Amino acid sequence: EDQVTQSPEALRLQEGESSSLNCSYTVSGLRGLFWYRQDPGKGPEFLFTLYSAGEEKEKERLKATLTKKESFLHITAPKPEDSATYLCAVKVGANNLFFGTGTRLTVIP
Amino acid sequence: DAGVIQSPRHEVTEMGQEVTLRCKPISGHDYLFWYRQTMMQGLELLVYFNNKAVMDDSGMPKDRFSAKMPNASFSTLKIQPSEPRDSAVYFCASSLDRVGQPQHFGDGTRLSIL
Repeated sequence: EDQVTQSPEALRLQEGESSSLNCSYTVSGLRGLFWYRQDPGKGPEFLFTLYSAGEEKEKERLKATLTKKESFLHITAPKPEDSATYLCAVKVGANNLFFGTGTRLTVIP
Repeated sequence: DAGVIQSPRHEVTEMGQEVTLRCKPISGHDYLFWYRQTMMQGLELLVYFNNKAVMDDSGMPKDRFSAKMPNASFSTLKIQPSEPRDSAVYFCASSLDRVGQPQHFGDGTRLSIL
């Protein structure tokens, strides 16, 4: 059975305190792993797609990495505006995304 | 560029009433998805279309839910009769039919069934 588990559920960081969010997955035949950011009252906003182990993508203070069993979203020197829920999803089947339940990040000034 | 547009943004209705949620995908996108988000279950795929045809509706309770896409720029998700357990945020998303293209989400409809 396809499974995506994100940890921690919630994370509070001081501004400038770097950390990592984890997404572990069990799927038959990974066809892409996606990271999204979701702000309250908004839809998920696309951040990154990763396809193969060893791949890395960066955008501003965020860097996503992928291994055969998990993905990490590294946040370097976060700012309060990085506060959001970060969702991980894996592509299964033809075009379905299977989402984890997210990590709620709060960055305190 | 206009993103995915959903209406209404909020809907409050009584149990047993019919509810219709609407979605306008990004122009030119081939895929359209309907998701439901709750605190307990997170984001769950209900149904998705490719070029207006239903590809997978296995996540949708078919006794009360129905989804249509009469043209490339409009889709509806209907619930009849609605129940309190249907209370959730419903998202519509669309994407291009190309490898690696992400799904782009609307801002959702917050549905409350009393």
